[in-house]
Amino acid sequence: NAGVTQTPKFQVLKTGQSMTLQCAQDMNHNSMYWYRQDPGMGLRLIYYSASEGTTDKGEVPNGYNVSRLNKREFSLRLESAAPSQTSVYFCASSVWGRAADTQYFGPGTRLTVL
Amino acid sequence: GESVGLHLPTLSVQEGDNSIINCAYSNSASDYFIWYKQESGKGPQFIIDIRSNMDKRQGQRVTVLLNKTVKHLSLQIAATQPGDSAVYFCAEKWSGGSNYKLTFGKGTLLTVNP
Repeated sequence: NAGVTQTPKFQVLKTGQSMTLQCAQDMNHNSMYWYRQDPGMGLRLIYYSASEGTTDKGEVPNGYNVSRLNKREFSLRLESAAPSQTSVYFCASSVWGRAADTQYFGPGTRLTVL
Repeated sequence: GESVGLHLPTLSVQEGDNSIINCAYSNSASDYFIWYKQESGKGPQFIIDIRSNMDKRQGQRVTVLLNKTVKHLSLQIAATQPGDSAVYFCAEKWSGGSNYKLTFGKGTLLTVNP
């Protein structure tokens, strides 16, 4: 039982390049999330997927797209990377999105955009 | 201590001492609170949670206190160990709103000196 896994761990992009961050969970969770974490700031929600087949915008969705590929996998795509997207990206999952449903986080992807 | 919205504070303690990490939350409607621990280079890890109908909850070496009157949350760590060195985040949720919206504070850096 690996929990939440993310690939890659590190990535450097040039401005304008595109890439997809991958996330998978093996806990049979229904809800999945993408956050970004910037220095001196808390985690901010980019997009979430309440259940397989649905996705919704979070607090900072501009410049990103997501795909809930199946129940296990939730990917985040940067179509045209910008330096402002330099950050650490975390994927999380929970049973559902209820208040008492703990969100479990992956190890993160450290992205630098030059 | 931290506030959901301010710069990252730090707390330095000696090994064996008790640590108290504070958090002020802004939404008086929030009814569920969580503490996460984030070690360097890793994703946030769930520590303990508390519902708004409680004012205290204990775990293994950790206690969370909730004061709804002044919208204040604290995490107490007993007999702090070097392995407790990390950034600690509080997070709040309002079950009456979007069930997926978990608002994080910016964290407190705890350093344990041996």
